[in-house]
Amino acid sequence: GDSVTQMEGPVTLSEEAFLTINCTYTATGYPSLFWYVQYPGEGLQLLLKATKADDKGSNKGFEATYRKETTSFHLEKGSVQVSDSAVYFCALRGSNDYKLSFGAGTTVTVRA
Amino acid sequence: GAVVSQHPSRVICKSGTSVKIECRSLDFQATTMFWYRQFPKQSLMLMATSNEGSKATYEQGVEKDKFLINHASLTLSTLTVTSAHPEDSSFYICSASTGDNQPQHFGDGTRLSIL
Repeated sequence: GDSVTQMEGPVTLSEEAFLTINCTYTATGYPSLFWYVQYPGEGLQLLLKATKADDKGSNKGFEATYRKETTSFHLEKGSVQVSDSAVYFCALRGSNDYKLSFGAGTTVTVRA
Repeated sequence: GAVVSQHPSRVICKSGTSVKIECRSLDFQATTMFWYRQFPKQSLMLMATSNEGSKATYEQGVEKDKFLINHASLTLSTLTVTSAHPEDSSFYICSASTGDNQPQHFGDGTRLSIL
């Protein structure tokens, strides 16, 4: 079945550092790919998405490119802020399914 | 737009109590709602999918008599944890969607603690 493998955390960075969180997937067909962010004590918020190969999702300085050849959707941000401290989840929705499959989540802590 | 409200945000109760959690879509009609459970420092596990006016579809291993789901209207779904025990303590999150291939919008979650 469909699955998502996400880089394990926790990740601790200094403010203005570069952030990369790796995400690879296994799926048949052409899934849609998502990154969600969860701030402490809250639910999930959609951060960005891509629905087809080579699409780049971007939001709040974060970017991720749907790479079908490497089955990856790595999340990047060039200069993180303390407010980016959160748990980040990579997720996919299969082309013939409506359910989301989530990665294990990566906890990111940004220090001032 | 696309706001999902989940209530209560936190509940603490005694073992044996039944607890109801509400999930409301405030500004859209949600034909499909999803209920997830999240253990500490782990990912979300889908418990069940509910469609308005029909019975919920439960994932393998989820007890449907334990976790009762009702989706009586296009804006409200409820999850009732019946006769809750300490092992049911968890963070429960709902999401709502306008259709099968539409984005899911998440509530802020409910922290359930059973003493």
